[in-house]
Amino acid sequence: GAGVSQSPSNKVTEKGKDVELRCDPISGHTALYWYRQRLGQGLEFLIYFQGNSAPDKSGLPSDRFSAERTGESVSTLTIQRTQQEDSAVYLCASSTPGVWGSGSGANVLTFGAGSRLTVL
Amino acid sequence: AQKITQTQPGMFVQEKEAVTLDCTYDTSDPSYGLFWYKQPSSGEMIFLIYQGSYDQQNATEGRYSLNFQKARKSANLVISASQLGDSAMYFCAMREIVRTGANSKLTFGKGITLSVRP
Repeated sequence: GAGVSQSPSNKVTEKGKDVELRCDPISGHTALYWYRQRLGQGLEFLIYFQGNSAPDKSGLPSDRFSAERTGESVSTLTIQRTQQEDSAVYLCASSTPGVWGSGSGANVLTFGAGSRLTVL
Repeated sequence: AQKITQTQPGMFVQEKEAVTLDCTYDTSDPSYGLFWYKQPSSGEMIFLIYQGSYDQQNATEGRYSLNFQKARKSANLVISASQLGDSAMYFCAMREIVRTGANSKLTFGKGITLSVRP
């Protein structure tokens, strides 16, 4: 597609329920990132996928959070047993792969519109 | 340790004037990239400008320029001739370029709110 597509755009759920958020990256973008943005705050890194390499999961806040990616396409972020502190906008981004020594590292992340999660 | 620091409170600028948004960063890696993104009230993240650590000149993109002071580890964004549409949240971000050749994550600052007055 032309841009990064995220669904749902809005999700309201009850505390304790599981939720799945989906991200469809730009075709050809092998790198995919998930970030969390709480109201009025900056972006917190959650997880990063690059091709067939092991994902960087260092930002996942707890074992209730997990993410999968099918090849170089769609990714799903799953939050189990949601808590009120999980309420945030979850942003997905994709980019072309980086090349060491390219002199740039300027592989710009293109973001989706986000999925707003509200946990009651 | 905080890698990207944006400490200015909400900033105000008069339309058509220039404004500087501050960003300092912390890294021991000689190879890194610095980015600025804009987030208007609609929530989308819009890429503005990039500066590589080895770039000899400060980056410019239209009305945006980056005042890169490597020794001070600062990468301030300068917006010239402010427009009402520039009112938004602005985020500074850094990528440390890992030696494996792959991308690494972008680490973002907490952002600065800019309001342009008519």
